[in-house]
Amino acid sequence: RKEVEQDPGPFNVPEGATVAFNCTYSNSASQSFFWYRQDCRKEPKLLMSVYSSGNEDGRFTAQLNRASQYISLLIRDSKLSDSATYLCAVYSSASKIIFGSGTRLSIRP
Amino acid sequence: DAGVIQSPRHEVTEMGQEVTLRCKPISGHDYLFWYRQTMMRGLELLIYFNNNVPIDDSGMPEDRFSAKMPNASFSTLKIQPSEPRDSAVYFCASTGQGDYEQYFGPGTRLTVT
Repeated sequence: RKEVEQDPGPFNVPEGATVAFNCTYSNSASQSFFWYRQDCRKEPKLLMSVYSSGNEDGRFTAQLNRASQYISLLIRDSKLSDSATYLCAVYSSASKIIFGSGTRLSIRP
Repeated sequence: DAGVIQSPRHEVTEMGQEVTLRCKPISGHDYLFWYRQTMMRGLELLIYFNNNVPIDDSGMPEDRFSAKMPNASFSTLKIQPSEPRDSAVYFCASTGQGDYEQYFGPGTRLTVT
């Protein structure tokens, strides 16, 4: 079983829709969690950190469920510019971060 | 700051040739990471350094791969001999002590024919 798993998608949703995807992790001792965004043929960039209490940044909400060992990302009122691949990342140990394979999101007009 | 710098951006080589990828981390960052990304396997950590010392190379696929960090501002990832299955995008990333955010370079797109 992979340490970090994501549904690869693609998720194809209309502009303005709400979309959510999850990421599961296997190491129950993991402490820190993140969502990265990667545009086509570009490098990954940090989108947001995921805190135990959940956190929101504009249209984006990230949540952590320690009991079930998953993190989620919710995007409200999706825009065309949200089309990208979203990678979850889990801080393993000694500054080592494990990335999921990514979920592709495509927003259609 | 210019961010993480990688060179070359694209590399096309023939099977059996030696390939050297280069990375300059962000100044002041203590950690440097080398990743490989493919459609099939996603983003895989190959090796990472702390203060120029290799800490974990368990992700290096085989002996054909080697990485060095001779000083705080430069690292190389070498593949010798290269094989078609090494074709991928290789990213270098750096981060500072106590900072969880990883800053990625633009990547090197390697094609081995």
